[in-house]
Amino acid sequence: KNEVEQSPQNLTAQEGEFITINCSYSVGISALHWLQQHPGGGIVSLFMLSSGKKKHGRLIATINIQEKHSSLHITASHPRDSAVYICAVRSGGDKIIFGKGTRLHILP
Amino acid sequence: DTEVTQTPKHLVMGMTNKKSLKCEQHMGHRAMYWYKQKAKKPPELMFVYSYEKLSINESVPSRFSPECPNSSLLNLHLHALQPEDSALYLCASSLGGGAGGELFFGEGSRLTVL
Repeated sequence: KNEVEQSPQNLTAQEGEFITINCSYSVGISALHWLQQHPGGGIVSLFMLSSGKKKHGRLIATINIQEKHSSLHITASHPRDSAVYICAVRSGGDKIIFGKGTRLHILP
Repeated sequence: DTEVTQTPKHLVMGMTNKKSLKCEQHMGHRAMYWYKQKAKKPPELMFVYSYEKLSINESVPSRFSPECPNSSLLNLHLHALQPEDSALYLCASSLGGGAGGELFFGEGSRLTVL
């Protein structure tokens, strides 16, 4: 079993839909990262969380430390949101464990 | 300056060549990372430098040799690579220590080994 599990693996939605991507982890963490990678591109950090909830524009990230679960929400989704979204956890010092990513495709 | 700069962006090399990938940041970050990413897969950690010392080596073959000459610069020396080493090599940095800080990634160096 992977230490960081994401669901769904793939998601196709219509423009304007509310999107939720989930991340569960099985190790103790000091922080959780949500990252975005466009095809052929580098990786951009969206959020770093250690508790609670953060919001940037149409993106919202939440974390429940007790349940070892985090969610990334996208409101009013747009085709430019199409990308791979990766959950990564910092577990013990410098080690960062990546989930396998969620491939999101927003149709116009 | 919130950038991590990687050079070259593309590299094609033969199996007998020696080449290097370079990564630079000027954010005062003290943790720097090398990742390898194959198509449609998540990044795989290769090495971590913390305060210019190698803190993690994920059992990477010796044909990959990292170097951190100073706190702003990270190199990955390549020698006698195999075709299966063809991948996107990503560098990242963070503040380091404690909670580690936000991760900043470079655009990557796309390596093709012939």
